[in-house]
Amino acid sequence: QKEVEQNSGPLSVPEGAIASLNCTYSDRGSQSFFWYRQYSGKSPELIMFIYSNGDKEDGRFTAQLNKASQYVSLLIRDSQPSDSATYLCAVKGGGGNKLTFGTGTQLKVEL
Amino acid sequence: GAVVSQHPSWVICKSGTSVKIECRSLDFQATTMFWYRQFPKQSLMLMATSNEGSKATYEQGVEKDKFLINHASLTLSTLTVTSAHPEDSSFYICSASRQVTYEQYFGPGTRLTVT
Repeated sequence: QKEVEQNSGPLSVPEGAIASLNCTYSDRGSQSFFWYRQYSGKSPELIMFIYSNGDKEDGRFTAQLNKASQYVSLLIRDSQPSDSATYLCAVKGGGGNKLTFGTGTQLKVEL
Repeated sequence: GAVVSQHPSWVICKSGTSVKIECRSLDFQATTMFWYRQFPKQSLMLMATSNEGSKATYEQGVEKDKFLINHASLTLSTLTVTSAHPEDSSFYICSASRQVTYEQYFGPGTRLTVT
């Protein structure tokens, strides 16, 4: 069983719509959750992180965490073509400081 | 955010030679740095965790004698690929971590091609 799971996609949404990206994790002791964006041929870029249950908003991005369901999601409002990228979910477990990454979801925002 | 630089951004070397890649955190001190490798259309693969002043911790299956990691200061870590072979050709990415909040900031990556 993979520790961090994401649907590989591609997820296609029209410009201006809300894109919803989902991630589940297996380690119940996980404490910190991160979303990264990676453009093709580039390195990952941190979008936001969340530690507590509930929602955290930053501009057009909202991260949602539900520890009971072991589920974290990223909502992108007013999606733009420039949001087209692979979105990586990463989780920090209860021990150590390394992150476990999912395989990423490819998002395509269409005109 | 925080800025992490990596040098060189790309390198071509001949089989059997060694290549050194530098990773620097420019505006914060990173007690921990990480080295990843990514093949085309595949996910990030963690190679090793590097703590300042101590030996790196390598992930299972990564040859520590082939991938030498040095973390001599709070802002600099280096990865040396020794006796490189064509199968070592990949995108190598470092990251630096803040101690309290644990988020990792990635360098721009180094594309290594071994001929």
